[in-house]
Amino acid sequence: GQSLEQPSEVTAVEGAIVQINCTYQTSGFYGLSWYQQHDGGAPTFLSYNGLDGLEETGRFSSFLSRSDSYGYLLLQELQMKDSASYFCAVRSPLGSARQLTFGSGTQLTVLP
Amino acid sequence: EAQVTQNPRYLITVTGKKLTVTCSQNMNHEYMSWYRQDPGLGLRQIYYSMNVEVTDKGDVPEGYKVSRKEKRNFPLILESPSPNQTSLYFCASKGGYGYTFGSGTRLTVV
Repeated sequence: GQSLEQPSEVTAVEGAIVQINCTYQTSGFYGLSWYQQHDGGAPTFLSYNGLDGLEETGRFSSFLSRSDSYGYLLLQELQMKDSASYFCAVRSPLGSARQLTFGSGTQLTVLP
Repeated sequence: EAQVTQNPRYLITVTGKKLTVTCSQNMNHEYMSWYRQDPGLGLRQIYYSMNVEVTDKGDVPEGYKVSRKEKRNFPLILESPSPNQTSLYFCASKGGYGYTFGSGTRLTVV
């Protein structure tokens, strides 16, 4: 089976940097993704790490360490609009019973 | 515009009355999936489809059916809805590394 753990809530102030961690246990692993969701709206894809290391996309970066079964999402220069839920998700190999398994999500609150 | 379209956005129904939630994508993606989202549980996969006429169960398939007769459409069918199927439902399709989600269907079964 697969399980992912991430903090349920994180609070930070505007302009700060915040890191959201994700640890996973999987029977098969193909990569770690991050999604953002505002207030029950459609989750939107942020990033994907298939290999160890850091991927940077503007203010957002994502890191993966496959040996530690660990990854994180780093948000820099926080803005009020970054207040949302963030989900890590494990992508499993093609042909297995599940393609994408999500964590329970981290609610990020950005304070002025 | 590349998108996944779900209908309806909101639905209130009674126990046992069959319903269908439609999902359509215009990106020619082979892979499509249905998720339900409940507070504190994240997104859980109901069914997925690797291509036309190829579907399989996800984590929580009980009480649901799907069909994939055309590449663009992947409807979710609740033959006899029950109150525990009250949830927020998302359809998604996959192209590349990222999934594109529909806007969601908030279903209430009374």
